[in-house]
Order: sequence, then structure tokens, then C-alpha cells
Amino acid sequence: DAKTTQPNSMESNEEEPVHLPCNHSTISGTDYIHWYRQLPSQGPEYVIHGLTSNVNNRMASLAIAEDRKSSTLILHRATLRDAAVYYCILGGSARQLTFGSGTQLTVLP
Amino acid sequence: ETGVTQSPTHLIKTRGQQVTLRCSSQSGHNTVSWYQQALGQGPQFIFQYYREEENGRGNFPPRFSGLQFPNYSSELNVNALELDDSALYLCASSLARTSGSVATDTQYFGPGTRLTVL
Repeated sequence: DAKTTQPNSMESNEEEPVHLPCNHSTISGTDYIHWYRQLPSQGPEYVIHGLTSNVNNRMASLAIAEDRKSSTLILHRATLRDAAVYYCILGGSARQLTFGSGTQLTVLP
Repeated sequence: ETGVTQSPTHLIKTRGQQVTLRCSSQSGHNTVSWYQQALGQGPQFIFQYYREEENGRGNFPPRFSGLQFPNYSSELNVNALELDDSALYLCASSLARTSGSVATDTQYFGPGTRLTVL
């Protein structure tokens, strides 16, 4: 499976935008980029996914580099409830999700 | 719409014992995946069941086994428990159109079962 690299931790102020980076230089042409997050004491939660084009949903936006070797999850206005571990996952198949260590996002009031 | 539920919430066992964990998938879903999450790490894929058949397995020994029932609920069984089996066990359900690759399927996770092996 292609690997992803994310910063171990990031901080943001409440109500400010947050850009969470992910590097995936060995991504294959059929790999989707998925983002999940895990709030404290909960199971992971789907955030967004994309293949080539930038994607938006009610939770976040996903910006994918033109060469697809990196992507950025954008939370437009961070809230305290967004404090979580964010996982960037590559998937050519829904058979399994290969989680890395993720990025621990801390949101400061 | 009922989400993914898991039971029990917490469980304490001793080394060498056997354990069964249960998962009820989200309504309308036909696929269940199980993950093990050790403290401070990301979840690790154990296996997936699609329409009652195993449909992929991660790097876990045969003492980790599973079942999926006609109503698509699932069980994870672990025999001969070891101390390193202490972890959060997560179940996720999804709707797959085929047993092969459906790369955009979203997996919906339950809250997990916290297993402690003493």
C-alpha cells in the first residue's frame, strides 16, 4: 500500500481556518485520498475523499495537488469540537483502510 | 437510521482465554470490517466480511476469526488471548456493490470495545 506522511501534531485557534497537509509521493493512479478523523473516545469518522479534483462538503474541503503527490484537508473555521486525530489514507479499494499515525489537531479557544 | 453499535463496551479477560465481540452494522449495509487500535496508534485492519464471506484479511494470526450473519451483523473471536491483544476493537460497516474494489465506499465506525487482557 502507498504510504502517507502527516505531521504528528498541529495547533489552531478557534474560528480560524486549518490546513492539514498530507504527502503521498508513491500514490498510484487509481488511489483515492480519504480523510477520517477520530475524536477522543470515539471511533473514526469519515470526513471527505477525492481522486483528482478538489472536493467540498459540509465538513471540509480537500485540495489535491496537480501531481497528486500531496493533498490538504481544509477546515474553514475550526471549532473546539474539531479537536481530533486526522488520518489521511490512500485507498484503491474499500477492502481495508490503512491508517497511519495521523495528525493530532489541537484547537485553542 | 441506526448507526453501528458494538458490545460490550469494555471487557477484561485473562491471558489464554477466548473472547467474542459483537457488531451490528448500519441499516442497509452489507459489509463489516474489524480493526484493532492499540493505545496511541492508528487502527489496524484485521479482516472484512462481505455478504457472510471473508473478503480480505490483514496481518493477524488465525486465532483472530470472524463471522457475519444473514442480517449482516458480525462477531470477532479471539482465542488464546495474549497481553498484546489489549486494545480498542473497532467495527465499521459499509455498503459495497461488489466484493471487489469500490474505492469510494465510506466506512462507518462504531464506538469500539475496549479489551484488557491481564
